Amino acid sequence: DVKVTQSSRYLVKRTGEKVFLECVQDMDHENMFWYRQDPGLGLRLIYFSYDVKMKEKGDIPEGYSVSREKKERFSLILESASTNQTSMYLCASRTSGYSYEQYFGPGTRLTVT
Amino acid sequence: AQSVSQHNHHVILSEAASLELGCNYSYGGTVNLFWYVQYPGQHLQLLLKYFSGDPLVKGIKGFEAEFIKSKFSFNLRKPSVQWSDTAEYFCAVNADNAGNMLTFGGGTRLMVKP
Repeated sequence: DVKVTQSSRYLVKRTGEKVFLECVQDMDHENMFWYRQDPGLGLRLIYFSYDVKMKEKGDIPEGYSVSREKKERFSLILESASTNQTSMYLCASRTSGYSYEQYFGPGTRLTVT
Repeated sequence: AQSVSQHNHHVILSEAASLELGCNYSYGGTVNLFWYVQYPGQHLQLLLKYFSGDPLVKGIKGFEAEFIKSKFSFNLRKPSVQWSDTAEYFCAVNADNAGNMLTFGGGTRLMVKP
């Protein structure tokens, strides 16, 4: 079974703090993704990575950055957290090739106060 | 950029009722289509997918979906829902010009009353 784990299920941070969300997958997938999930908006792609040290912006990258130093780990960074970044953050991974199924982690619910 | 619309945001059904959740997308080229489900407190998991071939695809737990290219639709169906189907359902599309990227619909919250 593919396993995608995220470092925290719940996180509370203050406005202006730097926040790190970590994601690890155990299936040697080349591609990893960060989404945020908001009611009525579904999932929106923040960033994705198709290889170590490679990244691509998704639909809503503003206010976020990412890091992928190892194949199994993909970090999302909020440089200066703001209240409008309060959300559920989902990590996903996928192998390369024709199969586009993504496997998701349990999510991190981030509250910025 | 492609968009995905799920017209029903909230659906309430009684057990044994039939279910159809709508999904429409905007891209005119080749697409791969997915339905994901998120049960309360659990992570997103794949319900079914369409890449090519028979436009009627069957997934887990008795769900099926039909791809109608002329209508840009990929509706999800189940003939008889159970209380355990209470969840949020997401349609997602990967267009052939979008590389690795999936575009998700806004989700439909289904509540099944026992």
